Amino acid sequence: AQSVTQLGSHVSVSEGALVLLRCNYSSSVPPYLFWYVQYPNQGLQLLLKYTSAATLVKGINGFEAEFKKSETSFHLTKPSAHMSDAAEYFCAVSPSFTGGGNKLTFGTGTQLKVEL
Amino acid sequence: DVKVTQSSRYLVKRTGEKVFLECVQDMDHENMFWYRQDPGLGLRLIYFSYDVKMKEKGDIPEGYSVSREKKERFSLILESASTNQTSMYLCASSFSTTSNTGELFFGEGSRLTVL
Repeated sequence: AQSVTQLGSHVSVSEGALVLLRCNYSSSVPPYLFWYVQYPNQGLQLLLKYTSAATLVKGINGFEAEFKKSETSFHLTKPSAHMSDAAEYFCAVSPSFTGGGNKLTFGTGTQLKVEL
Repeated sequence: DVKVTQSSRYLVKRTGEKVFLECVQDMDHENMFWYRQDPGLGLRLIYFSYDVKMKEKGDIPEGYSVSREKKERFSLILESASTNQTSMYLCASSFSTTSNTGELFFGEGSRLTVL
């Protein structure tokens, strides 16, 4: 069984400030972890993924996330927020089986607002 | 680039109508999925398919059915639409290989309103 908890359904930051979106996971096997972004009226786009290689993962648009097994966390960060980062962000987990057909379990999402 | 296309971006239907949501992907993915997205609830899996004519229930299949007659196409069917099925519906696809991480590729969504 697997689950994801995203702390904070809404996060507001000033332009240029640090962005920190929190994600904690629960998984009975070693996980794969993902962050997706959704801009208004669009589908989800992959930001970055952890697949058991480096624990610090860099993604698109300057975002990165660090896998911390001891804390069961995969928090998303960006050093300096931009207005274009305003969107909804979803953390997701899947079990690291081989054999294909893995299913993702999503968190409830965090809406990021960037203010001038 | 992978492209997942959902046939209708916005639909308005009446209670009791039969509704078809169509999804096509162009990357020869084996797996296809239908999710429902509601505020505060995130994405919930309705149905998925690992192969043509194969389907499995997700977490919230009640009131829905699916069809996969061709590898590239996965349809979601609401046999008798109800107001509580007003939502955003997202189609996704993925590869099915021994190294599959479960990464999904999404369409742009179909926003359904049932009156």
